[in-house]
Amino acid sequence: QQQVKQSPQSLIVQKGGISIINCAYENTAFDYFPWYQQFPGKGPALLIAIRPDVSEKKEGRFTISFNKSAKQFSLHIMDSQPGDSATYFCAASSYFGNEKLTFGTGTRLTIIP
Amino acid sequence: GAVVSQHPSRVICKSGTSVKIECRSLDFQATTMFWYRQFPKQSLMLMATSNEGSKATYEQGVEKDKFLINHASLTLSTLTVTSAHPEDSSFYICSAREGTGSNYGYTFGSGTRLTVV
Repeated sequence: QQQVKQSPQSLIVQKGGISIINCAYENTAFDYFPWYQQFPGKGPALLIAIRPDVSEKKEGRFTISFNKSAKQFSLHIMDSQPGDSATYFCAASSYFGNEKLTFGTGTRLTIIP
Repeated sequence: GAVVSQHPSRVICKSGTSVKIECRSLDFQATTMFWYRQFPKQSLMLMATSNEGSKATYEQGVEKDKFLINHASLTLSTLTVTSAHPEDSSFYICSAREGTGSNYGYTFGSGTRLTVV
């Protein structure tokens, strides 16, 4: 019930291309779906987050698509740049749950020239 | 935006000694903070949930006596690794829950690299 499954484990995208990372969850009580970006030796930084009352949220080159019926959400990075090379984690939490974030397993993204 | 400050960023200690890691919410009050451990190329593993003024809630398999958590104020939580051993070497990250009601979120510290020699 608390799992968040993330794919792919690693992803290589050419500069300027679109990077897509997918996550699926089981707990229908989840009401907050953030994506975090982590560089080596640093803590995760919030990239973008969505709540289930909308199906899409866009901030600059980053877009979250949310499918409540399928219990899936994805991160799209448009015009991917070498500086986007990092590990990305999806996560989910429930306001009425035990307050903790449930993380996906992470995706190591590499943007090549 | 919300900022969480974590110190130290790196620490090296001798086996058998204790080390304390601090996590501070700089511009908001955090009644709930979280401590994670991260192994290389892996996801974050929740160790415990820290609630201000009460005992921490530890995840299954985490030794309460080894990883002491104190959340004495609304802006400070500490993790003390007691009698550290080389296997405790890891990347430790704190997080704080911020926001009110259903408009909440989580902010992470920059992490602490602990090396036990």
